[in-house]
Amino acid sequence: DQQVKQNSPSLSVQEGRISILNCDYTNSMFDYFLWYKKYPAEGPTFLISISSIKDKNEDGRFTVFLNKSAKHLSLHIVPSQPGDSAVYFCAASAGGTGNQFYFGTGTSLTVIP
Amino acid sequence: NAGVTQTPKFRILKIGQSMTLQCTQDMNHNYMYWYRQDPGMGLKLIYYSVGAGITDKGEVPNGYNVSRSTTEDFPLRLELAAPSQTSVYFCASVGNGYTFGSGTRLTVV
Repeated sequence: DQQVKQNSPSLSVQEGRISILNCDYTNSMFDYFLWYKKYPAEGPTFLISISSIKDKNEDGRFTVFLNKSAKHLSLHIVPSQPGDSAVYFCAASAGGTGNQFYFGTGTSLTVIP
Repeated sequence: NAGVTQTPKFRILKIGQSMTLQCTQDMNHNYMYWYRQDPGMGLKLIYYSVGAGITDKGEVPNGYNVSRSTTEDFPLRLELAAPSQTSVYFCASVGNGYTFGSGTRLTVV
């Protein structure tokens, strides 16, 4: 019962172009969303978050968009850099940062120099 | 400024052995979590704690136990290791942000 889904296991993008990573969720009670990236042999690193009162949040090269009606969020990385190559996870919770998060299975991004 | 520290980084256990995965945070966070990550899967919550003395089960608690005697420490105990517990384990704490440890890779043979 995967409540958070990342349907693309991998993505390749040329350096300098936009990377778009997608995430879908099924639980309409989710109201807080996170994106993480993970390098091999390291713990996940928090990237950006968004709450359901917003539909967009930006932090430098990273922008997260939330479409509540479609239960869909996406992470845009512009411009993509080779150091962005990692596995990206989205996560969702109902009730803010302190509650249980449900994670997607991840999308492996490769940025080609 | 250590954040979340997990030990050990690697461990091989025989079936039926027990061990404790240690997790310590120095950010005075109340919320702490233990996750496991299996290959090709997202993180699954094992146990979590909302403060010292309070713990609760997550999605996959069977075969594990936790304790939270202090704010800083949240150890995860495996009593009778099974091959199904071969995984990478991540501890995390939440304050203003969500911080993960670097993980413990456990193999049960």
